[in-house]
Amino acid sequence: ETGVTQSPTHLIKTRGQQVTLRCSSQSGHNTVSWYQQALGQGPQFIFQYYREEENGRGNFPPRFSGLQFPNYSSELNVNALELDDSALYLCASSTPGQGVYEQYFGPGTRLTVT
Amino acid sequence: AQSVTQLDSHVSVSEGTPVLLRCNYSSSYSPSLFWYVQHPNKGLQLLLKYTSAATLVKGINGFEAEFKKSETSFHLTKPSAHMSDAAEYFCVVSDGGQNFVFGPGTRLSVLP
Repeated sequence: ETGVTQSPTHLIKTRGQQVTLRCSSQSGHNTVSWYQQALGQGPQFIFQYYREEENGRGNFPPRFSGLQFPNYSSELNVNALELDDSALYLCASSTPGQGVYEQYFGPGTRLTVT
Repeated sequence: AQSVTQLDSHVSVSEGTPVLLRCNYSSSYSPSLFWYVQHPNKGLQLLLKYTSAATLVKGINGFEAEFKKSETSFHLTKPSAHMSDAAEYFCVVSDGGQNFVFGPGTRLSVLP
């Protein structure tokens, strides 16, 4: 069973640029959630995708957008990068079912905006 | 709205002594609760979860947590700390849907 993978591992961008981060979900999981973890803080929920549709969104501006593909992999796009976007971006996959489901996290992408 | 408070930003223990990481939550629903661990430069790993079954939950690596509804707490414990336990620990509350709310984290240091 393959776990959650993310690419790239690290990324350096300039303020105002755009970035795309990628996530492959764990085998059998149809839901992907994205989180932003600033240095020294807990992860903050950005949004979730379920069967290629956005299924909930946290308190992030529209310049944070996403996609989910038929194979359940996902992209996070951030436009007009700001210095405060520098963070670890985590992807988590899960399969909603009866009862509670846990999320399985990838290793993250470290984004630095200069 | 849900929220999580982790009462200690940093806990330091000696190897072989007990660990206690404190978590209090607020939720309008009957919550599901999780503890995740994050080692440096690694992703988050699930330690244990509470899903309205037994109030004492056992997890991996000897960790356990007790759900106390009257105190709105879900503290994480381990009888004997190991050097490899040094990491950041996050308490998480969920309403069972997509909304996972993380606490700010507690950094555990284990001294030799």
